[in-house]
Amino acid sequence: LAKTTQPISMDSYEGQEVNITCSHNNIATNDYITWYQQFPSQGPRFIIQGYKTKVTNEVASLFIPADRKSSTLSLPRVSLSDTAVYYCLVEDTGFQKLVFGTGTRLLVSP
Amino acid sequence: NAGVTQTPKFQVLKTGQSMTLQCAQDMNHEYMSWYRQDPGMGLRLIHYSVGAGITDQGEVPNGYNVSRSTTEDFPLRLLSAAPSQTSVYFCASSEGTSRSFETQYFGPGTRLLVL
Repeated sequence: LAKTTQPISMDSYEGQEVNITCSHNNIATNDYITWYQQFPSQGPRFIIQGYKTKVTNEVASLFIPADRKSSTLSLPRVSLSDTAVYYCLVEDTGFQKLVFGTGTRLLVSP
Repeated sequence: NAGVTQTPKFQVLKTGQSMTLQCAQDMNHEYMSWYRQDPGMGLRLIHYSVGAGITDQGEVPNGYNVSRSTTEDFPLRLLSAAPSQTSVYFCASSEGTSRSFETQYFGPGTRLLVL
């Protein structure tokens, strides 16, 4: 199974840029990398997805190096409302199922 | 669209009781799945379905049964509840199969306490 490894937690302050790196050494050629955000007492919510290089949307940017063995979620100028758990996923194409890791708990302080 | 709905929101069971967690989606999604989330942990896949009549096991299937008789519904059954099944359960769906470029839509969750 394709596994991901992320830092357990990160702390930041309002207005700072936050970068969360995910390791996925066994990623397969056809796998995409997807990031989800989860607030307390809610289900996860899609943030961004990419295959290679860089992807940007209105919420975040995703940087993927050429070897695709890692990826970095970048949140520009975080606010208190960005406090959440962030999950990095890669698809296990052999088993047709997504594998969630433990996620990174981001705490944004004033 | 209501998206993915789950009932009940909260349930207390005694050890050995059975119950069914309901999940429904109105987006005509083929892929549906159930996850459990324990305190301080990530989500673990219980069972999933790639279409009506097709189900398969995830990481932690023991103690749970599923069926998929329609595209819209994917109930999760606990035949004999155990305290170890105390958790928050999330249902998710996506269009097509579980290809990673398919956005997963999650329900609000069911909080289950087994005494």
